Amino acid sequence: TQLLEQSPQFLSIQEGENLTVYCNSSSVFSSLQWYRQEPGEGPVLLVTVVTGGEVKKLKRLTFQFGDARKDSSLHITAAQPGDTGLYLCSGSQGQNFVFGPGTRLSVLP
Amino acid sequence: DAGVTQSPTHLIKTRGQQVTLRCSPKSGHDTVSWYQQALGQGPQFIFQYYEEEERQRGNFPDRFSGHQFPNYSSELNVNALLLGDSALYLCASSFVDRGGEQYFGPGTRLTVT
Repeated sequence: TQLLEQSPQFLSIQEGENLTVYCNSSSVFSSLQWYRQEPGEGPVLLVTVVTGGEVKKLKRLTFQFGDARKDSSLHITAAQPGDTGLYLCSGSQGQNFVFGPGTRLSVLP
Repeated sequence: DAGVTQSPTHLIKTRGQQVTLRCSPKSGHDTVSWYQQALGQGPQFIFQYYEEEERQRGNFPDRFSGHQFPNYSSELNVNALLLGDSALYLCASSFVDRGGEQYFGPGTRLTVT
C-alpha cells in the first residue's frame, strides 16, 4: 500500500512569514502533484514534478521533488491571506493515484 | 472552456438507498477519476475510467460502481448506502497520458442519514 504523509498537519502563520510543508513516502512515484483546496471546492492543480531533484517556481511558491522521487516540499515566501487553504500532495504510479491527508494552512492578516 | 462539472451539488439519502452522481469532464479530456473525501482528510481514489472501461480501482467495495459514456462523461453509483458513505465525492478529468495532472470538479456533498 502506497502512503503519502504530509507535515505539518496544521499551520497558522502571520502574513509576510515564510513556510515550508513536506510530503513524504516510502514509495517511488513517477510524478508528484501539489494541489490547493478551499472549503467547499475541489482541489486545484498547482504543479507537477517528474524528475528527481527538480525545482519549480510558481510566483512565491517553490516546489522541490526529492532526488529519490519519494518526497517533496513546498515553500511559500511572504505568505498572504489568499494562500490560506488545504495543500495536498498526490503521487502517481501508472494509473494508481494516492493523496496525502493535506496540510491546512491559515495565513492571518 | 468549461471546466469539470458535477451534479448534484448536494444530496441527502437514507441508509440502504442507492445514489447516482454525474460528472462532465473538462473539454478535451478523455479520462475520468472518482474520489471520496471525508471531512478533514485527503481524497481517496475510488476508480478511473478511460474508453468506457474501468482502468484502475482503489480499495472500495463493489457497492461502488461507475460508467463512462461515449462523450467521456461519467456516473458514480453507490448501492446500499451506509452512514460512512457520507462524504464529498470528487470527479477529476485528465488526458490519458498525463493522468497525474487532474482537474477537479467542485464535488457532490452526500449526506446519508
